[in-house]
Amino acid sequence: DSGVTQTPKHLITATGQRVTLRCSPRSGDLSVYWYQQSLDQGLQFLIQYYNGEERAKGNILERFSAQQFPDLHSELNLSSLELGDSALYFCASSVTTGRGYTFGSGTRLTVV
Amino acid sequence: DQQVKQNSPSLSVQEGRISILNCDYTNSMFDYFLWYKKYPAEGPTFLISISSIKDKNEDGRFTVFLNKSAKHLSLHIVPSQPGDSAVYFCAASDQEGAQKLVFGQGTRLTINP
Repeated sequence: DSGVTQTPKHLITATGQRVTLRCSPRSGDLSVYWYQQSLDQGLQFLIQYYNGEERAKGNILERFSAQQFPDLHSELNLSSLELGDSALYFCASSVTTGRGYTFGSGTRLTVV
Repeated sequence: DQQVKQNSPSLSVQEGRISILNCDYTNSMFDYFLWYKKYPAEGPTFLISISSIKDKNEDGRFTVFLNKSAKHLSLHIVPSQPGDSAVYFCAASDQEGAQKLVFGQGTRLTINP
């Protein structure tokens, strides 16, 4: 158990729908990152939040949004889902240790 | 625009031998590099890192080499063990610590008994 909790582990939904992925960071970590891993691809950075505020943005579609709440958990909202959104979505958290992130086990999203 | 590339999707190595995983990058602003290991159904776990001020960092059986002029890094695992079978991701950032990482596509390493 890495200490980063992601729910749900699996999600199957239809095109056009909206889903919410949830992430609880490790205790004490203020930064939360979201990454997308499509089939045979590396992890693509989506967005970072630090202590409730958006800190950095990557290749995140306008149909996607995220937020970090006062208790530091984060949610990634995906709307108007398309088949191509099927992927593994990872959340990670960190403090500035220079040793990279701690990842959760991911949410596998399947859009049918 | 793939700034971090792992050109070998897979690698098979005999147990006890050396495994060498390679990674190339294009962004000269990258100054911190990491390797992550990923087992199925788990998230990536941090393995080893190196700052651009060094050319080698060692941690037990794992050594990362950085060649800045060639924009190339490699991960050496000696000796390879069956438990090392996993997907290995190379990642880079332009600031040490909690900033966004740019990942390669991963290399699937299989250690054969």
